Amino acid sequence: AQSVTQLGSHVSVSEGALVLLRCNYSSSVPPYLFWYVQYPNQGLQLLLKYTSAATLVKGINGFEAEFKKSETSFHLTKPSAHMSDAAEYFCAVSETGTYKYIFGTGTRLKVLA
Amino acid sequence: DSGVTQTPKHLITATGQRVTLRCSPRSGDLSVYWYQQSLDQGLQFLIQYYNGEERAKGNILERFSAQQFPDLHSELNLSSLELGDSALYFCASSVEAGAADTQYFGPGTRLTVL
Repeated sequence: AQSVTQLGSHVSVSEGALVLLRCNYSSSVPPYLFWYVQYPNQGLQLLLKYTSAATLVKGINGFEAEFKKSETSFHLTKPSAHMSDAAEYFCAVSETGTYKYIFGTGTRLKVLA
Repeated sequence: DSGVTQTPKHLITATGQRVTLRCSPRSGDLSVYWYQQSLDQGLQFLIQYYNGEERAKGNILERFSAQQFPDLHSELNLSSLELGDSALYFCASSVEAGAADTQYFGPGTRLTVL
């Protein structure tokens, strides 16, 4: 069965510092992987997705993620954090033959001035 | 703005009551998904409809039901409400029903059961 683990429920970074949010997945078949962001009192917005094309995926707002099959990871990075990046980030996995996402528990990113 | 609309935004009701949450998908999207977000359970998939038919079920309680109408809008019905049903309920939509399809999320309905 597919599953997602997000290490670190809370991450704090200084403005301008590297953002690294971790996501590890478990899947018996090649997965599809997604990162979503949720701002306070809002719905989820897609940042990027991996669908077995390029392993390095670029998303919106300067975020990118790299699919590493050997490590079963899909970590989200951004070279330089902005105050506006403060939000909750969710990693999700789906598999061919299923119709649902499995979400991780989320990582709340705090950006310090 | 994702193009998915949900009404109402907030709902406050009492235990034992029944409520209906409504979702209109993005124009052209055939698939609708319902999720529940709570502090203790996180984001949980409830149910999916594709072009009017139920396609997949997740952790949906028997007290909950849903349907998708010919105009593709969907309703989630929650009955015999309990305090633990208090949560944010999201609807999402996608063009098709494939695993790789991007799901676009609505702003959610916050349900408070007193």
